[in-house]
Amino acid sequence: QKEVEQNSGPLSVPEGAIASLNCTYSDRGSQSFFWYRQYSGKSPELIMSIYSNGDKEDGRFTAQLNKASQYVSLLIRDSQPSDSATYLCAVKRNAGNMLTFGGGTRLMVKP
Amino acid sequence: GAVVSQHPSWVICKSGTSVKIECRSLDFQATTMFWYRQFPKQSLMLMATSNEGSKATYEQGVEKDKFLINHASLTLSTLTVTSAHPEDSSFYICSAKSGASEAFFGQGTRLTVV
Repeated sequence: QKEVEQNSGPLSVPEGAIASLNCTYSDRGSQSFFWYRQYSGKSPELIMSIYSNGDKEDGRFTAQLNKASQYVSLLIRDSQPSDSATYLCAVKRNAGNMLTFGGGTRLMVKP
Repeated sequence: GAVVSQHPSWVICKSGTSVKIECRSLDFQATTMFWYRQFPKQSLMLMATSNEGSKATYEQGVEKDKFLINHASLTLSTLTVTSAHPEDSSFYICSAKSGASEAFFGQGTRLTVV
């Protein structure tokens, strides 16, 4: 079992719809959770971080964390073609510095 | 957010030669730097973690003699790919952090070995 799992996609949604990206993790000691967006040929950029159970909203983005289910998700409202990218879920363990990345989900927003 | 600059952005080298990639934190002191490698359509794989002034910690399967990491100052870490081969062609990305803060990524370096 991979430590951080994501559906590779592609996830295709029409412009204006809500895109829902999911991630599960295996280490129950994980404390910090991140969503990165990576455009093709570019480095990842951090779009959301979440540390406690529940929802965290930032603009069109909402991160949801459920530690009991070891599940973290990212919702993108009013999806735009410019949101088309690969979204990487990353998890940091209780101690130490290391981020563990999921395989990423490719999102395609069609005009 | 903090700025991490990686240089060069892309490089083509001949098989058997060595290539050095630089990672600089421009507006903060990076106590820890991470080096990742990403093959096409795959996720980031951590290669090594380096703390300023000490030897890098390499992930399992990463040859420390082939991928030389130097973190001699709080603003600069270098990754040298020695005796590069075509299979080393990849996207190399660094990230840097200060203390307990979050890590910020450099722009990445696309290495092509011909």
